[in-house]
Amino acid sequence: AQKVTQAQTEISVVEKEDVTLDCVYETRDTTYYLFWYKQPPSGELVFLIRRNSFDEQNEISGRYSWNFQKSTSSFNFTITASQVVDSAVYFCALTIFTGFQKLVFGTGTRLLVSP
Amino acid sequence: NAGVTQTPKFRVLKTGQSMTLLCAQDMNHEYMYWYRQDPGMGLRLIHYSVGEGTTAKGEVPDGYNVSRLKKQNFLLGLESAAPSQTSVYFCASTTTESSYNEQFFGPGTRLTVL
Repeated sequence: AQKVTQAQTEISVVEKEDVTLDCVYETRDTTYYLFWYKQPPSGELVFLIRRNSFDEQNEISGRYSWNFQKSTSSFNFTITASQVVDSAVYFCALTIFTGFQKLVFGTGTRLLVSP
Repeated sequence: NAGVTQTPKFRVLKTGQSMTLLCAQDMNHEYMYWYRQDPGMGLRLIHYSVGEGTTAKGEVPDGYNVSRLKKQNFLLGLESAAPSQTSVYFCASTTTESSYNEQFFGPGTRLTVL
């Protein structure tokens, strides 16, 4: 069975602090993709990044960076110098293909960035 | 492109009433999905469709029915609404060009069942 665990329910930081959101996944498949989505207070889900199981290279996009480690089944997300606009719920998700594309979500981490 | 749109955005029902949520996408995607989002539970898959005229059950299908008569539309029906169906419903779609493309989500429908 596939499972995604986001153990941090809510994180509060002050603006300009760095923050890391944890994501641990479980799957027996050797081919899979991991995703991060952002859900701001307005409610829509915004795609942030996709990473395949064969590419463990870390990725940086502006203030965002992602650390993928197969050895620990983790795909953590770091926001550097957080801003109030980063306040949102962040979901980690796992995709496998079993005849159709199935997306398994974690329960989300709510990030509150205060000025 | 409008992407994925959902109608309505908000709805309040009484127990036992029925309603249909409409999802439309203009990206010519083959796969479409209905999820529900509840506090502390992430998003859970209700039903999905791999193409026009085909539908299948997801993780939490009880109490819901779906239809995909046209490729661009995916309808979610509640025949007899229950308070347990109070939730935010999201529709999503993706292409089959790759097995692992990201899913594109609609803005959500907030449903309250009294």
